Amino acid sequence: AQKITQTQPGMFVQEKEAVTLDCTYDTSDPSYGLFWYKQPSSGEMIFLIYQGSYDQQNATEGRYSLNFQKARKSANLVISASQLGDSAMYFCAMREEYGNKLVFGAGTILRVKS
Amino acid sequence: DVKVTQSSRYLVKRTGEKVFLECVQDMDHENMFWYRQDPGLGLRLIYFSYDVKMKEKGDIPEGYSVSREKKERFSLILESASTNQTSMYLCASSPPPQGILSPLHFGNGTRLTVT
Repeated sequence: AQKITQTQPGMFVQEKEAVTLDCTYDTSDPSYGLFWYKQPSSGEMIFLIYQGSYDQQNATEGRYSLNFQKARKSANLVISASQLGDSAMYFCAMREEYGNKLVFGAGTILRVKS
Repeated sequence: DVKVTQSSRYLVKRTGEKVFLECVQDMDHENMFWYRQDPGLGLRLIYFSYDVKMKEKGDIPEGYSVSREKKERFSLILESASTNQTSMYLCASSPPPQGILSPLHFGNGTRLTVT
């Protein structure tokens, strides 16, 4: 069964510094996709970045990058140059190729300090 | 932009009431989902639908049912609300094909309190 683990319930980072949010996953399917979502206090879920299991390069989207280490089954989100608006809950999620479900981790609350 | 609209932002219901949570999407997506979000547990899938009148159970379907009579609308039904169903409910949709590349587009959520 697919499983996502986010071990950091909460994180603090100083404005303008980089921060890494951890995510490990478990699946027996060789083909899968990994997603990160941001949930601000308003409650909306914002899709940030995607990594496919066969992608050779780590995904990047602006200040977001995904540190994908397939052998370690980790897909950490790196946010560079943190901004106050980055304060939110962040969820890691995974979908297997032959499954319909997007399975989420428990989330990490990030607080950016000025 | 994809728009997924949930009819209520906040809802307060009494134990035993039948509760309807409505979700509408405007992008002709085949796939629609209902999740509940609880602190420390993340999002858990209740039900999903990949076509009109089609539905599949997710990880926690007990106490819930769904209805999809039209492509754009997916309703979550609590047959007899209980206090342990107090939660944030999130609806989502995604375009076909239902492949690993498709991110979900979420509504703003309904915070349901059952007293």
